Amino acid sequence: AQTVTQSQPEMSVQEAETVTLSCTYDTSESDYYLFWYKQPPSRQMILVIRQEAYKQQNATENRFSVNFQKAAKSFSLKISDSQLGDAAMYFCAYRSPVIQGAQKLVFGQGTRLTINP
Amino acid sequence: GAVVSQHPSWVICKSGTSVKIECRSLDFQATTMFWYRQFPKQSLMLMATSNEGSKATYEQGVEKDKFLINHASLTLSTLTVTSAHPEDSSFYICSARTWDLSSYEQYFGPGTRLTVT
Repeated sequence: AQTVTQSQPEMSVQEAETVTLSCTYDTSESDYYLFWYKQPPSRQMILVIRQEAYKQQNATENRFSVNFQKAAKSFSLKISDSQLGDAAMYFCAYRSPVIQGAQKLVFGQGTRLTINP
Repeated sequence: GAVVSQHPSWVICKSGTSVKIECRSLDFQATTMFWYRQFPKQSLMLMATSNEGSKATYEQGVEKDKFLINHASLTLSTLTVTSAHPEDSSFYICSARTWDLSSYEQYFGPGTRLTVT
């Protein structure tokens, strides 16, 4: 079974600075999807960014980018120019290929990000 | 687009009673819905996967007779917690995905907080 590990329970960063959240995963599959979700105090899950394992290029969404290292099974999230609204719980998630089963998400333990003004 | 609603957002019930939580996809047809449970400051734990018109698939350790899931239509899934006890108090989140197997994304509802007294 696949597992996802986030080794940083909490992180903090000064507003406007850059922070990187770590995520590692374990799988025997060669094709899969990786995601970062944000859960603010409202507790609504929000998709931040996704990465298809077959793509070598790292995904980028505005101030959010990932460092995907397939061989190392590492998938970190970099937030640039941190804003107060970025404060939330961040979850890394893994999903099997489309053709296999219902494509359920496997979540990491989460990292609570605090933004200091 | 791709909005998922949950009702109620917060419910308090007495020990021994049953409570039903609804999950609706408002602007798309959800062939698959997922139910998660989240304890305070913890990650999401998948409880079950339901496909429209068929029985739900429960994760290991989840009591299917206690957590009844019905996915009777392409826009509605319900989770019924039967004979609720205080240890069932938690935050329950549903998510939904479409029939399009190339779609990578699950759309999350805002969650339901259940308190059993």
